[in-house]
Amino acid sequence: EAGVAQSPRYKIIEKRQSVAFWCNPISGHATLYWYQQILGQGPKLLIQFQNNGVVDDSQLPKDRFSAERLKGVDSTLKIQPAKLEDSAVYLCASSLGPGEHGYTFGSGTRLTVV
Amino acid sequence: AQTVTQSQPEMSVQEAETVTLSCTYDTSESDYYLFWYKQPPSRQMILVIRQEAYKQQNATENRFSVNFQKAAKSFSLKISDSQLGDAAMYFCAYRALNQFYFGTGTSLTVIP
Repeated sequence: EAGVAQSPRYKIIEKRQSVAFWCNPISGHATLYWYQQILGQGPKLLIQFQNNGVVDDSQLPKDRFSAERLKGVDSTLKIQPAKLEDSAVYLCASSLGPGEHGYTFGSGTRLTVV
Repeated sequence: AQTVTQSQPEMSVQEAETVTLSCTYDTSESDYYLFWYKQPPSRQMILVIRQEAYKQQNATENRFSVNFQKAAKSFSLKISDSQLGDAAMYFCAYRALNQFYFGTGTSLTVIP
């Protein structure tokens, strides 16, 4: 079974630039999550989708972060404009439904903002 | 608010020995789940073990076991017969109401 795919694996950008990350969840997984993991910390949930609808985006900095899952399958997370403090690993995860049935993480995208 | 605390930023263990990683959490919920995840340098979070709060029996998964003390809100992970491949960051996590909360992690070094 293919896992959660994320790209790119690494990204370096200058502050004030924009960047986008892509996630393709496990086939059939209705729920998709984006996490931010700052160095030395545990992952923090940014946004949760159920199919193509947003379930929880309470910790998403909406002034600069946006995410979409238009067809209820793959998803993109965008940052515009980026700040130095956005440097982190961005993890995507998916599950069969809300909860942890089959909850699986991708390998993440490491973003460095200089 | 739900919080997860891992008080050991780093731990080390001799190969084949046993090590225990500590975790405490704070919650007002009665129904929740607890997890230990392993994160190697590849960055992927790998589930090690899970515990349902309503179960009194401690979860066990091969060389990994937990000591779940619900009243004390403590959830420690014991790794027996440590192997070189166990070296990684270990995160304790709590889930309730469809949200995961992670601790800050413990970096485990296995000494040959």
